[in-house]
Amino acid sequence: AQSVTQPDIHITVSEGASLELRCNYSYGATPYLFWYVQSPGQGLQLLLKYFSGDTLVQGIKGFEAEFKRSQSSFNLRKPSVHWSDAAEYFCAVGRQIGGSQGNLIFGKGTKLSVKP
Amino acid sequence: EPEVTQTPSHQVTQMGQEVILRCVPISNHLYFYWYRQILGQKVEFLVSFYNNEISEKSEIFDDQFSVERPDGSNFTLKIRSTKLEDSAMYFCASSAPGRSNQPQHFGDGTRLSIL
Repeated sequence: AQSVTQPDIHITVSEGASLELRCNYSYGATPYLFWYVQSPGQGLQLLLKYFSGDTLVQGIKGFEAEFKRSQSSFNLRKPSVHWSDAAEYFCAVGRQIGGSQGNLIFGKGTKLSVKP
Repeated sequence: EPEVTQTPSHQVTQMGQEVILRCVPISNHLYFYWYRQILGQKVEFLVSFYNNEISEKSEIFDDQFSVERPDGSNFTLKIRSTKLEDSAMYFCASSAPGRSNQPQHFGDGTRLSIL
């Protein structure tokens, strides 16, 4: 069965510091991988996605993620965090079903706090 | 940029009552989804919908739940005889047709509170 693990429930970083949020997945074939961000009271905004090809993907707001098949990981990174990045981050996995990725399986999320 | 729109943003309902959550997906999208997020827990898939029928549903999506696309723009989730444990944030999502590498776009959610 598919599953997604985000081992860090809450991370606090200083503004300007680098960030890495961890995501591990369990899936039998090549997964479709996503990172979404949720600000308080808001919906889920897509940060970036991986379907195939280059394992380092660039997203919005200066985020990037690297797919590592050998480690079943898809960690999210940002070189310099801004206060506005404080939010909850969700990793998700999907798979190909016809013309869609089917239902997404989400991790429990990592809440990011940013210190001034 | 086109958005998925959900109404209402907050719905308070007495236990046992029926509730309808509404979504307007992005206009050229053909795949529609409902997810829910119980407070403090992960986002969970409920149902997906394509070509006027359910394409996939989770074990959460029992006979209490139904979905409908009553016209060309709306996509609704109906919960009959609501229970306290139905209290959650409900998200609608949609994705474009064609290849499967079209991401799902989410609305801002409807917070459902069952009293």
